[in-house]
Amino acid sequence: SAVISQKPSRDICQRGTSLTIQCQVDSQVTMMFWYRQQPGQSLTLIATANQGSEATYESGFVIDKFPISRPNLTFSTLTVSNMSPEDSSIYLCSVDLPDSIGGQFFGPGTRLTVL
Amino acid sequence: EDQVTQSPEALRLQEGESSSLNCSYTVSGLRGLFWYRQDPGKGPEFLFTLYSAGEEKEKERLKATLTKKESFLHITAPKPEDSATYLCAVQAGGSYIPTFGRGTSLIVHP
Repeated sequence: SAVISQKPSRDICQRGTSLTIQCQVDSQVTMMFWYRQQPGQSLTLIATANQGSEATYESGFVIDKFPISRPNLTFSTLTVSNMSPEDSSIYLCSVDLPDSIGGQFFGPGTRLTVL
Repeated sequence: EDQVTQSPEALRLQEGESSSLNCSYTVSGLRGLFWYRQDPGKGPEFLFTLYSAGEEKEKERLKATLTKKESFLHITAPKPEDSATYLCAVQAGGSYIPTFGRGTSLIVHP
């Protein structure tokens, strides 16, 4: 299994500001995934980040609001821009487990509160 | 639209009281069904992958089973440390993107 770290682990931000979340993996991976987990809701995929290409966003998520960088095979960032209280959520990055196992390995998450 | 529904939303058990969690799904072309455990303040932890109806997987006190329309996570003689939220996710069709259910919050009392 991979070791994934995220920074920050939590933050409280003011409306209208932006926050960049970092995700570091201890091994090289092709794809990294960013999810949002709102209170009482299921995990929702925001985008898939491939190294060397632009991220692929899911329906309802746009690059201007959630810009993503993927500078190398072990690191990615997600920025939550122009935040509002509705952006308060847990943000998670993940990578695929080997095909023989299936499923994904998740980081510890970043708990964001927007006031 | 693919849907994944987990029930119950919350479950309280006494230590040693066995029970089952349900994950029902309506998808076309199931490729895989996944179970995760999530502790408060942490990311989901992978438990099992099931690929076809009739398949079963076991890990300690947990056993996951799969039919054509649903999966069960059976918990035998649970302990307080089994308290967590259990998430189910389904991968289907030509998409690698899993659809998650909302989870079942399990509390096991000593």
